[in-house]
Amino acid sequence: EAGVTQSPTHLIKTRGQQATLRCSPISGHTSVYWYQQALGLGLQFLLWYDEGEERNRGNFPPRFSGRQFPNYSSELNVNALELEDSALYLCASSLHLDRATYYGYTFGSGTRLTVV
Amino acid sequence: SQQGEEDPQALSIQEGENATMNCSYKTSINNLQWYRQNSGRGLVHLILIRSNEREKHSGRLRVTLDTSKKSSSLLITASRAADTASYFCATWNSNSGYALNFGKGTSLLVTP
Repeated sequence: EAGVTQSPTHLIKTRGQQATLRCSPISGHTSVYWYQQALGLGLQFLLWYDEGEERNRGNFPPRFSGRQFPNYSSELNVNALELEDSALYLCASSLHLDRATYYGYTFGSGTRLTVV
Repeated sequence: SQQGEEDPQALSIQEGENATMNCSYKTSINNLQWYRQNSGRGLVHLILIRSNEREKHSGRLRVTLDTSKKSSSLLITASRAADTASYFCATWNSNSGYALNFGKGTSLLVTP
């Protein structure tokens, strides 16, 4: 069974540009979560999608947005990139939330975004 | 916002020794989970303990949960060099929008 896949692995962008990160969940998982892991800050919750809808977002500005497609894959968009957006962006998937309480999340290997 | 707080921030031990990491959290939880991260890569789920459980085992891992003290501990017995990684606790609360809240992690170094 394929795990959670993220692309690209690395992304270098210039300040002010837009970045698009992609995530494919494990087959059968309907929930997708995005986290930002900046150096020294631990994992910060960004967004949660389930059944195609945004269910919750963390304390991030609106230039962080995303969507979930009918096949449950997801995209994270970061507009007007700033230097401090440089981080490892991790995507995770889980079964529908009523079963997620008994299982953990499955994480992808992440996309390392560098803003120069 | 950070919910879990791991202690210590860094731990260095020799192969064969036991490693203990602690996690404290602030609000009520439905479950608490421990994850491992190798060298800036994705996180791997290790073990989940529900709020009505006190102890759980999985191989060389032992997790305890004390909801009255809002704390958990992860014990890795007979550690190996391959256990070198960062370990994160994460809390799950149905009132927090179902998002896992992570601590900043404990960096474990196991030397041969």
